[in-house]
Amino acid sequence: NAGVTQTPKFQVLKTGQSMTLQCAQDMNHEYMSWYRQDPGMGLRLIHYSVGAGITDQGEVPNGYNVSRSTTEDFPLRLLSAAPSQTSVYFCASSYSPGTGGTEAFFGQGTRLTVV
Amino acid sequence: KQEVTQIPAALSVPEGENLVLNCSFTDSAIYNLQWFRQDPGKGLTSLLLIQSSQREQTSGRLNASLDKSSGRSTLYIAASQPGDSATYLCAVSTDKLIFGTGTRLQVFP
Repeated sequence: NAGVTQTPKFQVLKTGQSMTLQCAQDMNHEYMSWYRQDPGMGLRLIHYSVGAGITDQGEVPNGYNVSRSTTEDFPLRLLSAAPSQTSVYFCASSYSPGTGGTEAFFGQGTRLTVV
Repeated sequence: KQEVTQIPAALSVPEGENLVLNCSFTDSAIYNLQWFRQDPGKGLTSLLLIQSSQREQTSGRLNASLDKSSGRSTLYIAASQPGDSATYLCAVSTDKLIFGTGTRLQVFP
């Protein structure tokens, strides 16, 4: 049971480049989400999904796209990377919060630097 | 808009002390509250999950309480050890999981 797997672990991009951060879970969780973590800012929600085919914006969605074509995968796309997107990105999954809530599991993070 | 605050932002204590970390939230309409631990450069590990109908949860030396009506939770760590040094985050669950900014704990020998 791998849990939540994020790839890559590290990435350096040039300004204007695009890339996709991958997230996969094998726990059949309906709920998946992406966060970014910056010093002094805590974890801020970028986008989330309550099931395949359903996504919604979080607190800081600008510059990011997501899609959820399967229950297992929830990729995060940076359309045109900017230095302000330098951060550590975390993917999380759980059963739906609306069912009373269950423990959330996190990936190990992707450290992204945009130069 | 749900806002989650953690106090103190940082804490340094000698080994063996009992300590309390605080978490407050502005909207009491939550499904549950979770406490996480994050070691430097690592992901988040869930410590305790308290459902909205519960008052507290215990795991080993950790005890978390929840007072939904007042929008507060506390994480109590008994007999702290250097291995407890980490950042502790609380998060409340509505239709999404909202985090506080964390308490950075250092326990020195």
